Amino acid sequence: AQSVTQLDSQVPVFEEAPVELRCNYSSSVSVYLFWYVQYPNQGLQLLLKYLSGSTLVKGINGFEAEFNKSQTSFHLRKPSVHISDTAEYFCAAAAQGGSEKLVFGKGTKLTVNP
Amino acid sequence: DAGVIQSPRHEVTEMGQEVTLRCKPISGHDYLFWYRQTMMRGLELLIYFNNNVPIDDSGMPEDRFSAKMPNASFSTLKIQPSEPRDSAVYFCASRPGQGGYNEQFFGPGTRLTVL
Repeated sequence: AQSVTQLDSQVPVFEEAPVELRCNYSSSVSVYLFWYVQYPNQGLQLLLKYLSGSTLVKGINGFEAEFNKSQTSFHLRKPSVHISDTAEYFCAAAAQGGSEKLVFGKGTKLTVNP
Repeated sequence: DAGVIQSPRHEVTEMGQEVTLRCKPISGHDYLFWYRQTMMRGLELLIYFNNNVPIDDSGMPEDRFSAKMPNASFSTLKIQPSEPRDSAVYFCASRPGQGGYNEQFFGPGTRLTVL
C-alpha cells in the first residue's frame, strides 16, 4: 500500500516570493505521482503529474515538481507566487500496474499575502 | 464538455433521514470514483466503478452507505440513515480508461450537513 505525507499543513508566503510545498511518499512498488489544487468551494484540479521519464515536471500556472526516487519525494515549487495561488494543494500517489486508487496526502494550505 | 456534475451542491438534513447524492461523469469516461473530504481525515476514497461495475468498495465506512451506477452517465451515493458524523464534502470524479494512467476529473462536490 502507498502512503503520502505532506509535511506542512499551512504555508504562508508573501506575494512574488518563491514557495516549496513538500511531499513524501512511501510505497513498496513504483508509483505515479500527482499534485492537485483545490480553490475554495471547488473540486480538485490537476496541476501536474509524474508518470515516467524526466524527473522535473512542469504543470499549469507556473508550478513545477521534481521527482526524487532516492528521497521518495515529489516537492512542488513556484518561483514567484500570486495572490490567486491561495488554495489547498494535495499530493497523491498511485501504484504502477496496481489498482486505480489515488492515495492523497492531508493537504497544504497555501496563503499568499500582499 | 460540462465536466463532472454533482447534485445537490449543498444538503442539510436531520439525523436519521435518507440522503442521496448524485453524479454525472464526463461522457466517455470509464471510471467513476466517490470521495469524502473532512478536516479530520482528509480526502478518502469510498468506492470506484469501472464500466458501471463496482471494483473496490473497501472505503465505504459501513452498511449505511451504498453506491450504484445503473448506467454510464449516472451514479448515486446513498446514506441511510444519516448521522452527524457523516457531515463532509462528497466528491465524485471520473477518468477515461484508455492508455497509461490518466488524471481524475473532479466535480464541485456536495457539502452535506447532518444535524
